[in-house]
Amino acid sequence: EDKVVQSPLSLVVHEGDTVTLNCSYEVTNFRSLLWYKQEKKAPTFLFMLTSSGIEKKSGRLSSILDKKELFSILNITATQTGDSAIYLCAFMEYGNKLVFGAGTILRVKS
Amino acid sequence: EAGVAQSPRYKIIEKRQSVAFWCNPISGHATLYWYQQILGQGPKLLIQFQNNGVVDDSQLPKDRFSAERLKGVDSTLKIQPAKLEDSAVYLCASSLGLRGGLHEQFFGPGTRLTVL
Repeated sequence: EDKVVQSPLSLVVHEGDTVTLNCSYEVTNFRSLLWYKQEKKAPTFLFMLTSSGIEKKSGRLSSILDKKELFSILNITATQTGDSAIYLCAFMEYGNKLVFGAGTILRVKS
Repeated sequence: EAGVAQSPRYKIIEKRQSVAFWCNPISGHATLYWYQQILGQGPKLLIQFQNNGVVDDSQLPKDRFSAERLKGVDSTLKIQPAKLEDSAVYLCASSLGLRGGLHEQFFGPGTRLTVL
């Protein structure tokens, strides 16, 4: 059965810290891996990764995919309280169906 | 560009009652998705439409859930009758859905359903 496992389940850091969120997957028909940020409402799109070893970057956030080892990481540098959210990882199957992990709850303390 | 619209934002019902949710996708998006997100879990796909046709409804509990997208634009999801375990946030998402393309999904604000 296809699945996505995220770790840690939750973490608390202080402003300015750097965090690394992990996502491993087992999937039959992989097309891409996506990261979303979910605050109290809609998940908002962060990254889509299709190729191994190519880092995607947006401001303080970056992500990379390893298709051989079947995992991805999301890095956040110089964390701010506004980064507090649930970070969801999902893989996209053929047909563009998304299968999500349970998410990592990040809390950034001031 | 307007985002995905959903209504209502919150709904409280008693078990065995019926409820319906509405979604209007981003203009021009051919593919529409309904997800169920139970507290502490990631969203789970219930049904996927391409224009007004169903692409995947394998995880939709068809004995009580139904969905339609009659004109290929907005969509409704219905639960009849509701059970306690249906308490969740129901998210609607849309994407361009061009054949063979890789397109991110854009999510609406969700409807939080509480079944008492």
